[in-house]
Amino acid sequence: GAVVSQHPSWVICKSGTSVKIECRSLDFQATTMFWYRQFPKQSLMLMATSNEGSKATYEQGVEKDKFLINHASLTLSTLTVTSAHPEDSSFYICSATPGGQKTGELFFGEGSRLTVL
Amino acid sequence: TQLLEQSPQFLSIQEGENLTVYCNSSSVFSSLQWYRQEPGEGPVLLVTVVTGGEVKKLKRLTFQFGDARKDSSLHITAAQPGDTGLYLCAGVRGGVTNAGKSTFGDGTTLTVKP
Repeated sequence: GAVVSQHPSWVICKSGTSVKIECRSLDFQATTMFWYRQFPKQSLMLMATSNEGSKATYEQGVEKDKFLINHASLTLSTLTVTSAHPEDSSFYICSATPGGQKTGELFFGEGSRLTVL
Repeated sequence: TQLLEQSPQFLSIQEGENLTVYCNSSSVFSSLQWYRQEPGEGPVLLVTVVTGGEVKKLKRLTFQFGDARKDSSLHITAAQPGDTGLYLCAGVRGGVTNAGKSTFGDGTTLTVKP
C-alpha cells in the first residue's frame, strides 16, 4: 500500500520560533498533498492543499503567512509554522493520494504533535 | 452547516456488543471512505465504497453505501477492545472543483471496555 511518512513525530518549541514539519510519500508520487489540524477527540480540519510546483490553496480562516507550505518535489511537502504561539499547539497531519487514483482514498502520515511553550 | 453528519459522536460499549455508526449527507458523493485512527497516529483507511447500495465486509466490520450515495453506515459485530479508536467517514464529491478533496465527518470516538 501507499506509505506516507511525517517528521518529526513530536516537537516542542518556544513561543516566537518557527517549526518545519515534513511530509513524504515513500513509494509513490503525489502532485497533491493535504495538511490538516486536529484537536483531541475531534475530526480532521483541512488547512490547505499543497500543490507540487505551485502555490498552496488555503482553506478559509487559515493564515497563509502563518502556515507556510512548500511542495518542491513530487514526494515532499513541508509545513512551516512561523512565529509559533501556544495556541498553535496541536496535532498536524498530512495526507496524499497516488497520482491517477480517482476514488479519493487518502494515505496519512503518522502525524506531528506540536507543543509551543 | 456540516456537509457530512456523523453519529454518534461518542460511544462506549462492553466487549461483545454490536454497534452502528452513521454518516449522513444531503449531498451525493462519488465515493466514500471510512478510516480508523488511534491516539497519536494518523488515520488508516478501512474501506472505500463507490456504488450505491454497495455492501463491503472486513472481518467483523460491515460497511454500507446508501442507494443514493448520500449516506453510509459502519456496523461492528461483537466489538473487541482492539476496535477502540476514532472512526471517520469521508466523502469525495464529483466535479473538477472538488477533485481529490475529501469532506470529513465529525468522527465517532469508540471505546470498547473489556
